[in-house]
Amino acid sequence: GAGVSQTPSNKVTEKGKYVELRCDPISGHTALYWYRQSLGQGPEFLIYFQGTGAADDSGLPNDRFFAVRPEGSVSTLKIQRTERGDSAVYLCASSSQKGHTDTQYFGPGTRLTVL
Amino acid sequence: RKEVEQDPGPFNVPEGATVAFNCTYSNSASQSFFWYRQDCRKEPKLLMSVYSSGNEDGRFTAQLNRASQYISLLIRDSKLSDSATYLCVVIYNTDKLIFGTGTRLQVFP
Repeated sequence: GAGVSQTPSNKVTEKGKYVELRCDPISGHTALYWYRQSLGQGPEFLIYFQGTGAADDSGLPNDRFFAVRPEGSVSTLKIQRTERGDSAVYLCASSSQKGHTDTQYFGPGTRLTVL
Repeated sequence: RKEVEQDPGPFNVPEGATVAFNCTYSNSASQSFFWYRQDCRKEPKLLMSVYSSGNEDGRFTAQLNRASQYISLLIRDSKLSDSATYLCVVIYNTDKLIFGTGTRLQVFP
């Protein structure tokens, strides 16, 4: 079956611009997560959705970052006034239900480069 | 101090060798533990969960020591295809994964 998909696979933007990154979770998965991975580091948690609501957004670095999941399926991560330090791979993951033993399946990521 | 610490490596080993990776975590309330594998420019994929009793999956053995807050991964009879970054992962009382920086393994012929 289809896995988690993310678009675009690569995004190059200029400092100060607005970007949107999209995640399509595995069909039927109620939990969706966003992570950010900088070069040479492990992924860092950004935000977690259970259904339509953000259950935990403690990892969002500042108010330039915002994410939505209006229908409980596709999610969009939005970054305003991008900075060079936002350059990273943004990973989305989904799991079947709330529960920390449920496997999170990752998408291929969106590589964001801010010039 | 990072919540999950790993030696970044790289570990360069010949085919057939046995290699061990270690990981320490700082939060004693951690509840679940995993090893993920990440190939270059690819997404992380679950390799195995880690239990206090230790668990084995083919050539891979994972061990958890709660008292020392220490997790290990042993790979026996290394294959070229084992070359990747191995990420130690911990979950506290929420669902977010806390990753270490990863340990890079390179198996050579």
